[in-house]
Formats: sequence, structure tokens, C-alpha cells
Amino acid sequence: DTAVSQTPKYLVTQMGNDKSIKCEQNLGHDTMYWYKQDSKKFLKIMFSYNNKELIINETVPNRFSPKSPDKAHLNLHINSLELGDSAVYFCASSLGTSGRTSRLQETQYFGPGTRLLVL
Amino acid sequence: LAKTTQPISMDSYEGQEVNITCSHNNIATNDYITWYQQFPSQGPRFIIQGYKTKVTNEVASLFIPADRKSSTLSLPRVSLSDTAVYYCLVGEGGSPGGYNKLIFGAGTRLAVHP
Repeated sequence: DTAVSQTPKYLVTQMGNDKSIKCEQNLGHDTMYWYKQDSKKFLKIMFSYNNKELIINETVPNRFSPKSPDKAHLNLHINSLELGDSAVYFCASSLGTSGRTSRLQETQYFGPGTRLLVL
Repeated sequence: LAKTTQPISMDSYEGQEVNITCSHNNIATNDYITWYQQFPSQGPRFIIQGYKTKVTNEVASLFIPADRKSSTLSLPRVSLSDTAVYYCLVGEGGSPGGYNKLIFGAGTRLAVHP
């Protein structure tokens, strides 16, 4: 009954390789996110999709490309991996109901994280 | 989004009440205050959210003074399992489209000892 799941949990790869991380949520949410947590434990948002549409795109290298085949999935593909890409990547989702008028911050539900190590 | 300042770390003992204060001097009128908890090797988890005065749920209480320039997360009678990093976030909610961006700071590392 996992709400937000990510695969793989661990990913060790060489510089220059291309890799993908998958995320799925079974909460029926419309909005999904990708965050990066570096070695200093700072969590930074990378992307957000609302119902398969890109709505937040922070200053992230073009090597990172999110893909949302449907609103329950948001995958992250990384080309030409670099040492600095080593981090923990978290997927999250929130209700994101269209037409909602409340400005209350939505609760975001995070996945368990994918630990990426680039050698 | 308003910047937040929290203590880097705190120590406590089982059974004690823990209060973590967050400063957000530049909080805007529409901003809400939200706290997340992150255990080692896990993603952050929502704890509590408030706009003013006091909010209480089954996990914690959130105290917000009238000027809203700070807030205090109160954890009653902590246990070893409350050892985690606690993040204070300030920002307004999403547009009617339903999405919002959370800006995490460094957080407060709480260590609960036997």
C-alpha cells in the first residue's frame, strides 16, 4: 500500500552514463515533484508536473529530463552523468486539484528516495 | 519566498517536551508556516501547518505569535523515534491550479537520548 514509490532505491554508475529513476504514486494526486538532496542535506526542488504538464522547472541542467506518461508517474532521466549528480533524489506528490481556490500549502507526500552515486 | 532560520541541532531526552523555534522575519501576508520531519534514509513527512495563533494535531503543536515573524514547533514527551531533522517552511500556497513550491532550509537535527 505504498503511497509514493521510487525505483531503484540505489543506483551506482559511471560518469557519462545515462540513467533513469522511476516514480509512481497511488494517491490519485494530480501534482508530482522531483527534489534533489545533496551531501549537505539541502533539499531543492527540480521539477513539478500537474496532470502531466510541466509547471515548475528550476535551474536544472538540460541533462535532466522529466517525463510524465500519466499523472500517476513522473520519471527522471539523466544524460551524461557527472560526479556532481551524486545525491539522493526524492519524488513527491500532492493533491493539486484543479479549480481549487484555497491558497493553503498542499501537503506533499515524499517517496523513499533514490541514492545515486556517480563514480 | 520568506527565508527561515532554525537552530542547526538540538538534544533532548526521552519524555521531555521539545520546542524548536523558527525565525521568518520577512513572512508575507499570504504565507503559511509548515513543518516537515525527515528520518534518516527517508523522505520528508508533513507534521503540521498553521497561519496564526496555535494549531494542534495528534503529533505536535505549532505556536505562532501575532506578528508571525517566528513560530515554534512543540513536540510533547519525545521518544527515541522522534530523532530526525525538522524543517520549517514558509511560503504561500499554490495557484488555483493546485501546485506549490516548497523551499527547504537546513533544518534542525533533533537527537533524543535515553
